[in-house]
Amino acid sequence: KAGVTQTPRYLIKTRGQQVTLSCSPISGHRSVSWYQQTPGQGLQFLFEYFSETQRNKGNFPGRFSGRQFSNSRSEMNVSTLELGDSALYLCASSPSGRARSYEQYFGPGTRLTVT
Amino acid sequence: AQTVTQSQPEMSVQEAETVTLSCTYDTSESNYYLFWYKQPPSRQMILVIRQEAYKQQNATENRFSVNFQKAAKSFSLKISDSQLGDTAMYFCAFMTPNFGNEKLTFGTGTRLTIIP
Repeated sequence: KAGVTQTPRYLIKTRGQQVTLSCSPISGHRSVSWYQQTPGQGLQFLFEYFSETQRNKGNFPGRFSGRQFSNSRSEMNVSTLELGDSALYLCASSPSGRARSYEQYFGPGTRLTVT
Repeated sequence: AQTVTQSQPEMSVQEAETVTLSCTYDTSESNYYLFWYKQPPSRQMILVIRQEAYKQQNATENRFSVNFQKAAKSFSLKISDSQLGDTAMYFCAFMTPNFGNEKLTFGTGTRLTIIP
């Protein structure tokens, strides 16, 4: 099976702009989670989607939003970018079902730089 | 809220030696999962090993094994016969399998360098 893919891999934006990041989960995985990784704050949970519904949200401002499509692909959007939004954004997918093991499989990430 | 603590920011060992990375966590939950993830330099994060809290037997995956001490809330990772490819950031992570709250809480990581 192909792994989790994220596009684009690198992105440079200016303060005040908005950005959309995309994630395609492993085939058959219906849960997609997003994490932000920075040197200062480490890895922080942004939100999780399952069957097109946001099930869980981390402690991030409303500028951070996401959605999931019927094919389980997910996008996250950050509006009114700030310098502090510069980070590696990681997407992870997880299988569902009664026999699941709760493992999350990560994509390569999108490195966002805000100038 | 759950917290995960990794007290060793950096470690280095000679190739072929054994190294142990420490992780402690705090939770009031009785059912949970613990994970070690590896993030090589500029590469993708991959799952190394997983432990279910209700299983007393320590998980093992080839050269990787854990020492899970539930009462002490400790979850250390032992890497035997270390290889150059083991050089990476290692993150300890915690998750409760509660529908609607299945998020990973990560520690701050340990940067492991294997010296040739």
